Amino acid sequence: EVQLVESGGGLVQPGRSMKLSCAASGFTFNNYDMAWVCQAPKKGLEWVATISYDGSSTYYRDSVKGRFTISRDNAKSTLYLQMDSLRSEDTATYYCARLRLLQWYYFDYWGQGVMVTVSS
Amino acid sequence: DIVLTQSPALAVSLGQRATISCRASESVRSSMHWYQQKSGQQPKLLIYGASNLASGVPARFSGSGSGTDFTFTIDPVEADDIATYYCQQSRNDPYTFGAGTKLELK
Repeated sequence: EVQLVESGGGLVQPGRSMKLSCAASGFTFNNYDMAWVCQAPKKGLEWVATISYDGSSTYYRDSVKGRFTISRDNAKSTLYLQMDSLRSEDTATYYCARLRLLQWYYFDYWGQGVMVTVSS
Repeated sequence: DIVLTQSPALAVSLGQRATISCRASESVRSSMHWYQQKSGQQPKLLIYGASNLASGVPARFSGSGSGTDFTFTIDPVEADDIATYYCQQSRNDPYTFGAGTKLELK
């Protein structure tokens, strides 16, 4: 059974940093691209970042470029999101998601999410 | 960025058909996917590639469309289907989601 379990969220002050983790199990982690998707309170879903299966390529939405870093440790089957210079608008639930590539890319499994609150 | 437009809410009766639309600001060909999100839960993949049913998803759910106009259907609607449904495109970066359609009971 595919499982994605996020951790590391909480309350953080504006301008500070936070690192999220996502522990994966039930599949061969290093065969899949992975992503982070966020959801602000009472709002819709927003893609944040993607990393290729081997970590060689990363992609970010414009609003987090230069502030967030996605990475992975395939030996530990773990995905990370380092979030620096946090802003109030980064407040959201962050989901780790597996990317499946057939003819299209889509998010086929999601973690339960972790809440990040940026506030003084 | 490609903008996906969904109606905010849809009220249906149990046992009836629910049809949710998603319109893309430019063609995404068949790169459209649908997710269900129940209150307090993570999203769940239902349909990928516009019309393909994800593993384990009941055949009551279906999707159609290509280009800019897509439809997601539940027939018949069951009580457990009350949720918000999101469309998402992966034709162009950045991947974008619709704002979601909240399915409500009449």
